[in-house]
Amino acid sequence: KAGVTQTPRYLIKTRGQQVTLSCSPISGHRSVSWYQQTPGQGLQFLFEYFSETQRNKGNFPGRFSGRQFSNSRSEMNVSTLELGDSALYLCASSLVLAGEYEQYFGPGTRLTVT
Amino acid sequence: EDKVVQSPLSLVVHEGDTVTLNCSYEVTNFRSLLWYKQEKKAPTFLFMLTSSGIEKKSGRLSSILDKKELSSILNITATQTGDSAIYLCAVRGSTLGRLYFGRGTQLTVWP
Repeated sequence: KAGVTQTPRYLIKTRGQQVTLSCSPISGHRSVSWYQQTPGQGLQFLFEYFSETQRNKGNFPGRFSGRQFSNSRSEMNVSTLELGDSALYLCASSLVLAGEYEQYFGPGTRLTVT
Repeated sequence: EDKVVQSPLSLVVHEGDTVTLNCSYEVTNFRSLLWYKQEKKAPTFLFMLTSSGIEKKSGRLSSILDKKELSSILNITATQTGDSAIYLCAVRGSTLGRLYFGRGTQLTVWP
């Protein structure tokens, strides 16, 4: 079974621009979570989508948004990019049935803002 | 505030040594604790521990959850250079889909 895929893998943008990142979860997984990883803050939760609905959101400004499609693929958008948005953006998918469940991560998108 | 703390932050050992990595947590309505290994890419899943499964073992790696002490340890025996990585501890609480991560332990194994 194919793992979580993310595109693009690398991205360079300038301040003020916007960017869209894509995540395709493992087949059958309906939950997609997004995280930002930086050397200073570690892994920080952005938001989680399940069945096209955002269920939870972390403490990030409104410039960070996302959505999920009916095939469970998810996109994350960052508008008005700032230098501090440079990070590795990871998405993770989960098969949420009952009880506890693992989250499997994709390879990430490395975003550099200049 | 929910938080996960890992120690030590870094560790350097020689091949064949045994290491113990620590993770303590303060997370509302604890549900599960997960260990990940991260090399130069995405974290790869190692173990998940819950109230009904407090010990896990896979090859040279093993982990125990202590719910009373709100902590977990990850043991790696007979370390190899391929074990060099950042080991991340994450905890799930009441917030669906969200994991709280520690800062990780950077393990370096010298040949």
